[in-house]
Amino acid sequence: VQLAESGGGVVQPGRSLRLSCAASGITLIPFHWVRQAPGKGLEWIASMSSDGNNEYHADSVKGRFIVSRDNSRKTLFLQMNSLRGEDTALYYCAGDRGGGPFEDWGQGTLVTVSS
Amino acid sequence: SFELTQSPSVSVAPGDTARISCGGDEIGTVRVNWYQQKPGQSPLLVLYHDVYRPSGIPERFSGSNSWDTATLIISRVEAGDEADYYCLVWDTESVHWVFGGGTKLTV
Repeated sequence: VQLAESGGGVVQPGRSLRLSCAASGITLIPFHWVRQAPGKGLEWIASMSSDGNNEYHADSVKGRFIVSRDNSRKTLFLQMNSLRGEDTALYYCAGDRGGGPFEDWGQGTLVTVSS
Repeated sequence: SFELTQSPSVSVAPGDTARISCGGDEIGTVRVNWYQQKPGQSPLLVLYHDVYRPSGIPERFSGSNSWDTATLIISRVEAGDEADYYCLVWDTESVHWVFGGGTKLTV
């Protein structure tokens, strides 16, 4: 599975941003969003089942971020609302190909929340 | 919900065995996954469900999980193994994935 994130950039606090993750290869699989603040560890953000019927969000983003997918376009999305400075991070998407979880990763897209 | 504790750093000499631990209350009851992240790179799955290696991962990587500690074991450590290592579990109670804080392996 090849994954390519896009949509990152610099955004003011309180504004919104939508990230995309384009997939190729085996795509009807569970997908996840993981972020990494500068110099920090990995933080799981959200997951969505292969059929899109089940979604899970970390407490730190629940109510602000929404994960979704369009299987016809082989794309995973992360709608990020009410952005805060602490949301500044490199955002990765990852997929479960059938072995272990988070088996395939993209290169990440950088989100900077700053006025 | 699960809280995973990893030592911030581990240092070993080339050729030695590195043991990187991931502590959590009754972590032995869940399946633990391990990721390697080198500077400037995306994470790489190196061990899943406690003991299974994805294709392409050397046999030098192995694992164990019992009671309150899961361990990633890297035998015959090489300079190329120098990286940050993270454990990951699925918390069925909170239906959240949980990463450990990461361990920096220095060779």
